[in-house]
Amino acid sequence: DTEVTQTPKHLVMGMTNKKSLKCEQHMGHRAMYWYKQKAKKPPELMFVYSYEKLSINESVPSRFSPECPNSSLLNLHLHALQPEDSALYLCASSQGQGGREGYTFGSGTRLTVV
Amino acid sequence: AQSVTQLGSHVSVSEGALVLLRCNYSSSVPPYLFWYVQYPNQGLQLLLKYTTGATLVKGINGFEAEFKKSETSFHLTKPSAHMSDAAEYFCAVSDRGYSTLTFGKGTMLLVSP
Repeated sequence: DTEVTQTPKHLVMGMTNKKSLKCEQHMGHRAMYWYKQKAKKPPELMFVYSYEKLSINESVPSRFSPECPNSSLLNLHLHALQPEDSALYLCASSQGQGGREGYTFGSGTRLTVV
Repeated sequence: AQSVTQLGSHVSVSEGALVLLRCNYSSSVPPYLFWYVQYPNQGLQLLLKYTTGATLVKGINGFEAEFKKSETSFHLTKPSAHMSDAAEYFCAVSDRGYSTLTFGKGTMLLVSP
């Protein structure tokens, strides 16, 4: 299995809702990432988990809360989001945190905040 | 911190023409370099990568890239464009430590019949 699976593919939520994005990989990778991508822009790093521990948090607002229950799963909990948080959220994984092998990306969750 | 510059936000070619997408990196030490492709509403797919060894790297879908240290470049080429190559292309860089990927701003490839 050489895929990163993200669910749901699309999500519409109100500003008072709480929702979660899920990401799963079965490649034995030990680093997992959340990226945010706005239209016509490159992906921006949000969080890095290495060996199930949060190792990088790129000053993301607290309304985004990551969780890594085990080495195969990565969640992103969303609460009290703003319309400007509407974007494509991408999960990725790699064998180690170092960039030598590149990352494997999921197909993303298209989030719309209304 | 590592960075990459992609010259041209849009590149237009005719079907069958040569594709050339430009990427320059900023580092005195050769980094790891990658090209990714993104189709609309999809994730990013790795086309090819340079880590060490041969400077001409072949990837999927007929793409290749050449690492040129003297020019700090890693340009992506394909001899003959197909309509299916129309997509956004991102160059990315990582240094040789425990760093993360940094992406260029992307180049949209447009292919006309």
